[in-house]
Amino acid sequence: RKEVEQDPGPFNVPEGATVAFNCTYSNSASQSFFWYRQDCRKEPKLLMSVYSSGNEDGRFTAQLNRASQYISLLIRDSKLSDSATYLCVVKPWDTGGFKTIFGAGTRLFVKA
Amino acid sequence: AAGVIQSPRHLIKEKRETATLKCYPIPRHDTVYWYQQGPGQDPQFLISFYEKMQSDKGSIPDRFSAQQFSDYHSELNMSSLELGDSALYFCASSLREAGELFFGEGSRLTVL
Repeated sequence: RKEVEQDPGPFNVPEGATVAFNCTYSNSASQSFFWYRQDCRKEPKLLMSVYSSGNEDGRFTAQLNRASQYISLLIRDSKLSDSATYLCVVKPWDTGGFKTIFGAGTRLFVKA
Repeated sequence: AAGVIQSPRHLIKEKRETATLKCYPIPRHDTVYWYQQGPGQDPQFLISFYEKMQSDKGSIPDRFSAQQFSDYHSELNMSSLELGDSALYFCASSLREAGELFFGEGSRLTVL
């Protein structure tokens, strides 16, 4: 089993739709959680950090469930420009420091 | 704000040649990461450095080596290049405690 697993894609949604991605992690020592967005042939860019209390940034909402070891990303009112690959990143504490583990990514296509 | 700087942006090499990629982290960031991303794949972690010491090692081939210098910049040295080494190589930096990785725009290596 992979340390970080994401919903298999691709997700094809119309503009204005609400879409949710889930990501599960296996290491209970995980301390930090992030969602990144990556456009084709570009570098991953930090979308948002994920906090225990949940956090929102405009149309994006991230949730963390430590008991079930998953994080989620909700995108409301999808725009064409939201089309990208969304990467879940988990940072478990390991001896000597944090490891950084990427999920395989979920591809989102938003269509007019 | 200053970002992670990678050079060169594009590199074309022949099989069995060597290549060196450079990365200049965001000022005051003490951790540098190297990732390799093949077409249609998620970023694969190669190696990381914290305060000029190797902090974690991933799927870096024995033909590759890396180091972090006193000014915190890092270099990834690749020898005996193979066709399969053709990929985007991303460098990222972070403040160890904060956790968020910030990526450079990547160096695209093509091995012919």
